Amino acid sequence: DAGVTQSPTHLIKTRGQQVTLRCSPKSGHDTVSWYQQALGQGPQFIFQYYEEEERQRGNFPDRFSGHQFPNYSSELNVNALLLGDSALYLCASSRIQGASGGYTFGSGTRLTVV
Amino acid sequence: DAKTTQPPSMDCAEGRAANLPCNHSTISGNEYVYWYRQIHSQGPQYIIHGLKNNETNEMASLIITEDRKSSTLILPHATLRDTAVYYCIVHSGGSNYKLTFGKGTLLTVNP
Repeated sequence: DAGVTQSPTHLIKTRGQQVTLRCSPKSGHDTVSWYQQALGQGPQFIFQYYEEEERQRGNFPDRFSGHQFPNYSSELNVNALLLGDSALYLCASSRIQGASGGYTFGSGTRLTVV
Repeated sequence: DAKTTQPPSMDCAEGRAANLPCNHSTISGNEYVYWYRQIHSQGPQYIIHGLKNNETNEMASLIITEDRKSSTLILPHATLRDTAVYYCIVHSGGSNYKLTFGKGTLLTVNP
């Protein structure tokens, strides 16, 4: 049973560019959350998608946007990249009743902005 | 969600029990205690969660004090592969879907 799959695993972008990260949730899961983890810090919640809509958002600017597709997979888009956007981006999936069980995380995409 | 406090680091000898404490003195009645761990260069891994009763699964045991203001995660026989950052998270669920991670505890299991 495949877990959460993220692509690419590593990415280098130039300041000002745009980036798209992809996530396939664990089989049977219908919600996808995105987190940003800076070096030495815990993951920070960006947003969560369910039924193709964003249903909660963390304290991130509008440069961060997302999408969920009918097959529950998701994309995270970041526009006008800043050096401070360099981080590990994690995707987590769950069934709709997330509080009754744990979230399953992927291994992340390491984004470096130069 | 209530804030949690964990020691920044702990050591444990291989084969011994690792007891990781967490304080959550402002926890509300409907908030669960969750534990995740993150091994270097991987995503966080769910370990266990509980509301007020002690819980045990194949990975660990969770002991929650009667007043629910603190908890302890117990790894009964730590191995080198248990070296990781352990996060204690208080989460209410409902319409709040985000997990609020602190800096966690770096557990180092020594041979």
